Amino acid sequence: GEDVEQSLFLSVREGDSSVINCTYTDSSSTYLYWYKQEPGAGLQLLTYIFSNMDMKQDQRLTVLLNKKDKHLSLRIADTQTGDSAIYFCAESNDMRFGAGTRLTVKP
Amino acid sequence: DTGVSQDPRHKITKRGQNVTFRCDPISEHNRLYWYRQTLGQGPEFLTYFQNEAQLEKSRLLSDRFSAERPKGSFSTLEIQRTEQGDSAMYLCASLGAGAMNTEAFFGQGTRLTVV
Repeated sequence: GEDVEQSLFLSVREGDSSVINCTYTDSSSTYLYWYKQEPGAGLQLLTYIFSNMDMKQDQRLTVLLNKKDKHLSLRIADTQTGDSAIYFCAESNDMRFGAGTRLTVKP
Repeated sequence: DTGVSQDPRHKITKRGQNVTFRCDPISEHNRLYWYRQTLGQGPEFLTYFQNEAQLEKSRLLSDRFSAERPKGSFSTLEIQRTEQGDSAMYLCASLGAGAMNTEAFFGQGTRLTVV
C-alpha cells in the first residue's frame, strides 16, 4: 500500500480560516477525499476532488490539489466551533487514510 | 438499503477467545474494506475484497485474523485467540464499481474490548 501523511494537530480561533495539509504517494488515484470524524461518531465524507482538477470549492470548503507535489489541502473558511473534529485525507486507489489532523477551534 | 451495517456494535471478550464480526455493505457495492481504528489514530487498512475475492491483506495483519466474503455480499472478520492489543474499533466500508462511484460509505463500526 501507499502512504498518506498529515500533520496531527491544528488550532485556530473561531472565524479564522483553517488549512489542513496532506501528502500522498499513490499518483494513480482517481479521487482524493477528505473525511471528517467527530468525537464518538463514524467517518463522514466531507468532500472529494477528482485527480484531474486543481481546485474544488464547496461553500466554506476549498480543496486544492497539486498533483506534481502530491499535495492535497483543505481550507475551511470562517471556521466555527462545530468544525472541531479529526479530518482524514484518503486516496481512492487503495483507500488508504492518513493518521488524521485534529482541528481545535477556540472561541 | 440504508447503508453499511455492522454487527455487533460492541463486543467484550476475554483474552484468548475467538470473535467474529459481520459487515453488510450497500447492495451492489462490489468493493469492501476492513479497517481497524484505535483512539487518536486514523483507520488502519486490514484487508480488501472485490466481490468475493480477497485482493489485498495488510502485512501488519497477523495470522490470527481472517476475513471472508463468500458470496460477494456480506463479509466476516474473525480474530482468533484475542489479545488485549486487539482492542479497537473495527470499521467496514463499501464502494461501488466504476468512476462515478466516488464515496466509500462506512459502517458505525464494532468496538472490541479484550479483557
